[in-house]
Amino acid sequence: SQKIEQNSEALNIQEGKTATLTCNYTNYSPAYLQWYRQDPGRGPVFLLLIRENEKEKRKERLKVTFDTTLKQSLFHITASQPADSATYLCALDPNTGGFKTIFGAGTRLFVKA
Amino acid sequence: ETGVTQSPTHLIKTRGQQVTLRCSSQSGHNTVSWYQQALGQGPQFIFQYYREEENGRGNFPPRFSGLQFPNYSSELNVNALELDDSALYLCASSVDLNTIYFGEGSWLTVV
Repeated sequence: SQKIEQNSEALNIQEGKTATLTCNYTNYSPAYLQWYRQDPGRGPVFLLLIRENEKEKRKERLKVTFDTTLKQSLFHITASQPADSATYLCALDPNTGGFKTIFGAGTRLFVKA
Repeated sequence: ETGVTQSPTHLIKTRGQQVTLRCSSQSGHNTVSWYQQALGQGPQFIFQYYREEENGRGNFPPRFSGLQFPNYSSELNVNALELDDSALYLCASSVDLNTIYFGEGSWLTVV
């Protein structure tokens, strides 16, 4: 079956450390992958897009990698802060014709001061 | 502040009723997408409109329908509400794949 998997368990890290979140997908050949942040009761906020021909993309303290062979994207937050605590969602277009976006269930990140 | 406004923010409907949810996008954003998000899940894509035409659709039945208007506003209509339709409904307006803004959503409870 086709699906996107993100760590269902929450990730707890200490302030200042690097948080690494994983997004795995099966049976898709996406042209790109997106990452979003979502706070409780709020709409998602778009963070980064990485295309299939890009290995890595950076934006301030954020870094995303995309390995189409492993069918995996890694999302890193360096020098993490308590304000980074949120749920992080990955999403892709399965590239099956017509526009469509498929989201993972998200990983909850807690950064402790 | 995303510039995307959804209404109403919360509503309660009875099973079998119909509901209309509204979204006001940013000016110039000619693409709007609608999503359903159940608690603890990621958003599920319902459909997308581009320049007032449906551009893509997820695995939702025909009782989920939409409209996009020339003034960048849009509607999601759901007929014959079922209990499982209870969720947060999100709209997202965009110009391109790197410029996407979500609204804060409409919480729908079906009783």
